Amino acid sequence: ETGVTQSPTHLIKTRGQQVTLRCSSQSGHNTVSWYQQALGQGPQFIFQYYREEENGRGNFPPRFSGLQFPNYSSELNVNALELDDSALYLCASSWKGSNEQFFGPGTRLTVL
Amino acid sequence: LAKTTQPISMDSYEGQEVNITCSHNNIATNDYITWYQQFPSQGPRFIIQGYKTKVTNEVASLFIPADRKSSTLSLPRVSLSDTAVYYCLVGEGYGGSQGNLIFGKGTKLSVKP
Repeated sequence: ETGVTQSPTHLIKTRGQQVTLRCSSQSGHNTVSWYQQALGQGPQFIFQYYREEENGRGNFPPRFSGLQFPNYSSELNVNALELDDSALYLCASSWKGSNEQFFGPGTRLTVL
Repeated sequence: LAKTTQPISMDSYEGQEVNITCSHNNIATNDYITWYQQFPSQGPRFIIQGYKTKVTNEVASLFIPADRKSSTLSLPRVSLSDTAVYYCLVGEGYGGSQGNLIFGKGTKLSVKP
């Protein structure tokens, strides 16, 4: 059974740029969620995808968008990067409705 | 979703039992209580989930009183490798309509030799 993987592990961007982060779900899971974790804080829910459609969204602006593919892998896109977007971005997969989510190692994004 | 309150930090020594209590006064009937563990630079890892009374697995025990307004995560005989941040979450569990998790700041547990 393959766990959740994310790429890249680290990324440095400048303000105003766009970024795409990728996630491969754990085998068999049909739901993927994305979280942003600032230093010293708990993860904050960005959105969730189920069957390729957004299934819930946290308090994040529209410049945060996502995709889920038929193989349940996912992308997080962030446009017009701001300094405050610097954080660890976590992807988690699960069965829909389950609180047992399986997290990947995250992508550390630094915006300069 | 019910808000949770837990201590910011706790210290312990190897071999001791550690109990971390979480308050969730506004827990709803459909809510489950879930605990996650997170090591630095890693994603959180599911530890245990419960609805009422007591749940035990190979890693921890979860005690939930009858009013469900609080819960206690119990880690038996901790080791240095248990040093991590522990998050208490409350939300709909299996079969619920939402799978998003609401994390607080968690409890930073430091285990000393």
